[in-house]
Amino acid sequence: QQQVKQSPQSLIVQKGGISIINCAYENTAFDYFPWYQQFPGKGPALLIAIRPDVSEKKEGRFTISFNKSAKQFSLHIMDSQPGDSATYFCAASSSYDKVIFGPGTSLSVIP
Amino acid sequence: DTGVSQDPRHKITKRGQNVTFRCDPISEHNRLYWYRQTLGQGPEFLTYFQNEAQLEKSRLLSDRFSAERPKGSFSTLEIQRTEQGDSAMYLCASSRLAGNTGELFFGEGSRLTVL
Repeated sequence: QQQVKQSPQSLIVQKGGISIINCAYENTAFDYFPWYQQFPGKGPALLIAIRPDVSEKKEGRFTISFNKSAKQFSLHIMDSQPGDSATYFCAASSSYDKVIFGPGTSLSVIP
Repeated sequence: DTGVSQDPRHKITKRGQNVTFRCDPISEHNRLYWYRQTLGQGPEFLTYFQNEAQLEKSRLLSDRFSAERPKGSFSTLEIQRTEQGDSAMYLCASSRLAGNTGELFFGEGSRLTVL
């Protein structure tokens, strides 16, 4: 019940395209859903986060879509750039308790 | 503003030896977390502290692992009698309790290789 599932495992997108990563969870006590970005040799860094009282949150080229009834959420990266090439982790937590991470999606944006 | 720092960044040891990692969180952060990350996987929760109190320890964590945060500032993670399966990146993160936004600030990790 503590698991966060994520797909795809890897993703190749052309520059300017849209990258979409999907996640699902089981624990209905989760009330905070962040996305973290990790570059090689670095620790993960918060990209964007959402709480379940809204269905969408947008920050620049990054958008989270959240479907509470389906217990699913997704990250959309618009106008993907080579600098977006990184590993992306969806995650979840309950009342800002420990954060549970998904297995990650390796994104490559090709010129 | 200094971020989360971890030491050492790399550690190579022989099976059966003990190793200790240190984490210095962002100074005003009350919470400190330890995660383990293996290649191609997401960070796996190990344990976390609020000030000096250890609030939770993963059931997946064997008795060979112990963590401390004696004065509510830096923390150490010790692995006794290391095994090859302990080879991983050990990540430390901290967060602020007051006005908590939920954001974890990660260090760059300590990579352990057990031969």
